[in-house]
Amino acid sequence: DAKTTQPPSMDCAEGRAANLPCNHSTISGNEYVYWYRQIHSQGPQYIIHGLKNNETNEMASLIITEDRKSSTLILPHATLRDTAVYYCIVRVGGSSNTGKLIFGQGTTLQVKP
Amino acid sequence: GAVVSQHPSRVICKSGTSVKIECRSLDFQATTMFWYRQFPKQSLMLMATSNEGSKATYEQGVEKDKFLINHASLTLSTLTVTSAHPEDSSFYICSARGLVGETQYFGPGTRLLVL
Repeated sequence: DAKTTQPPSMDCAEGRAANLPCNHSTISGNEYVYWYRQIHSQGPQYIIHGLKNNETNEMASLIITEDRKSSTLILPHATLRDTAVYYCIVRVGGSSNTGKLIFGQGTTLQVKP
Repeated sequence: GAVVSQHPSRVICKSGTSVKIECRSLDFQATTMFWYRQFPKQSLMLMATSNEGSKATYEQGVEKDKFLINHASLTLSTLTVTSAHPEDSSFYICSARGLVGETQYFGPGTRLLVL
């Protein structure tokens, strides 16, 4: 199973971009990179996922390196409500309806005023 | 995103009793549901995976006779913690994945306190 490595914590100033890195050097060719976040005492919230290409949605952008060994989640304009634990996960199995999400320790992002 | 609900949101029970937690996918059909447990200041730990109409697959170290999982329909899965003890107190979170899509969505969690 491909594992991920994330910094345990990061700070970001409100209104600035938050760039959260993730290493997944053992990722396989058909494994997706998923990002979720968990605000205190809530269930994880889906943010974005990708395979090879960079992805963008209304919440964030995902930049995946060409060798796919690392990725960066970008929150373009962080707000105080973005304070949460962010999890980068490589989905085991890879195809549409197999595989499971195994959570690591994630990065605690603290957005400061 | 898709909506997953859980009921109850929190429950307090006496040691030795059983507790049932429901997980529903509200706007999509979930062929696969997952149950996680999270202790304070720790990450989520996958307990089991269930496919509609099939027996659940439990992760190593999770007692299948203690944590009974039923996934009888495409929108409902239940987790029953049997003969609960204080060490079972935790945050239980379900997750569901649809027929065609790849994304897995999570419920809001159920906080269980066993006295």
